[in-house]
Amino acid sequence: QKEVEQDPGPLSVPEGAIVSLNCTYSNSAFQYFMWYRQYSRKGPELLMYTYSSGNKEDGRFTAQVDKSSKYISLFIRDSQPSDSATYLCAMNAGGGNKLTFGTGTQLKVEL
Amino acid sequence: GAVVSQHPSWVICKSGTSVKIECRSLDFQATTMFWYRQFPKQSLMLMATSNEGSKATYEQGVEKDKFLINHASLTLSTLTVTSAHPEDSSFYICSAREGTGLNYGYTFGSGTRLTVV
Repeated sequence: QKEVEQDPGPLSVPEGAIVSLNCTYSNSAFQYFMWYRQYSRKGPELLMYTYSSGNKEDGRFTAQVDKSSKYISLFIRDSQPSDSATYLCAMNAGGGNKLTFGTGTQLKVEL
Repeated sequence: GAVVSQHPSWVICKSGTSVKIECRSLDFQATTMFWYRQFPKQSLMLMATSNEGSKATYEQGVEKDKFLINHASLTLSTLTVTSAHPEDSSFYICSAREGTGLNYGYTFGSGTRLTVV
């Protein structure tokens, strides 16, 4: 079993839809959770960063962490074609340790 | 914000030759840099972690003699793929972490697509 599980998709939605992306994990030591967006043939860019359980909102993006269920989510409101990319969840136990990534979910937002 | 420059963005080399990839932190000092490998439609696979001035720590299964990592300064780390073979063709990405004790400053380079022919 992988430490971090993420549905690879692809996920196709119409423009303006609400998108829900999710990851589950097995390591209870993970406390820091990140979402990265990766466009084709580019490096990942950090979208959201959260610590422990709770919600965090930044513009059209909301990150949720439920440590009791070992489940994290990223919501994208009013999705745009420019949101089409692969979204990777990542997490670690802190202390500047290496990140453990999910496999990434490929999202396509269609006009 | 923090910027990491990775060069080259793509390279084609002949089998048996060596290729060097550079990763530079442009506006911060990177105490730790990470090197990843990514296959098409797959996630990032950590190859090694390098701290400035010390030997890199390689993940299990990664050949340290094949993938040479040098982190001689706080702003530069290099990955050299030695005696490259077609199976080394992949997308290589570096990441730099700013400071010590900070856990959120992981900035990625734009990646290098290596094709070995």
